[in-house]
Amino acid sequence: NAGVTQTPKFQVLKTGQSMTLQCAQDMNHNSMYWYRQDPGMGLRLIYYSASEGTTDKGEVPNGYNVSRLNKREFSLRLESAAPSQTSVYFCASTRRGGISYEQYFGPGTRLTVT
Amino acid sequence: DQQVKQNSPSLSVQEGRISILNCDYTNSMFDYFLWYKKYPAEGPTFLISISSIKDKNEDGRFTVFLNKSAKHLSLHIVPSQPGDSAVYFCAASDSHGSSNTGKLIFGQGTTLQVKP
Repeated sequence: NAGVTQTPKFQVLKTGQSMTLQCAQDMNHNSMYWYRQDPGMGLRLIYYSASEGTTDKGEVPNGYNVSRLNKREFSLRLESAAPSQTSVYFCASTRRGGISYEQYFGPGTRLTVT
Repeated sequence: DQQVKQNSPSLSVQEGRISILNCDYTNSMFDYFLWYKKYPAEGPTFLISISSIKDKNEDGRFTVFLNKSAKHLSLHIVPSQPGDSAVYFCAASDSHGSSNTGKLIFGQGTTLQVKP
């Protein structure tokens, strides 16, 4: 099992460009999440998908859109990148519905917007 | 409004000694707490968790303590090893929330350095 995979690992964008971050999990998890990590801010939830076919805003959704393509895949799109979106982005998944709410994380995408 | 706070950005301890990482929360609906460990250029990995029905959970060198009245939890690492040097995040969940989405709220993280 690969767990949670993310592509790309690194990306540099110019202000105004768009891009899609891809995430896939092979653990048959129901729920998937996108976070951003900034120095001193911890992990902040951007969007999540509690189950296939549903998506909801998290703490910092502005400037982002998501698509839950199927049970395995959950993508994050930046339509018009801004320097404030320079960050490390993590995708995570969890089984949900069980006792444990442990989330499994991907390796991250380091995005720089110039 | 930071619902989960880790007020110490960094901690340095000597190998073999105890490391104590602290976390405070404000939302009394939180009933499940987790600690994650993160190495540079990697994603966070789950370390240990505790339900609000307990006040202690132990896993090898790692113990988490929960004080519900103080809305405080701590992670103890004994003995500390150089390989424990990483960023540690605490996280909280309201497992009985109306939507039961499995969402976690994370603290800002504490960077632990264990010196040989």
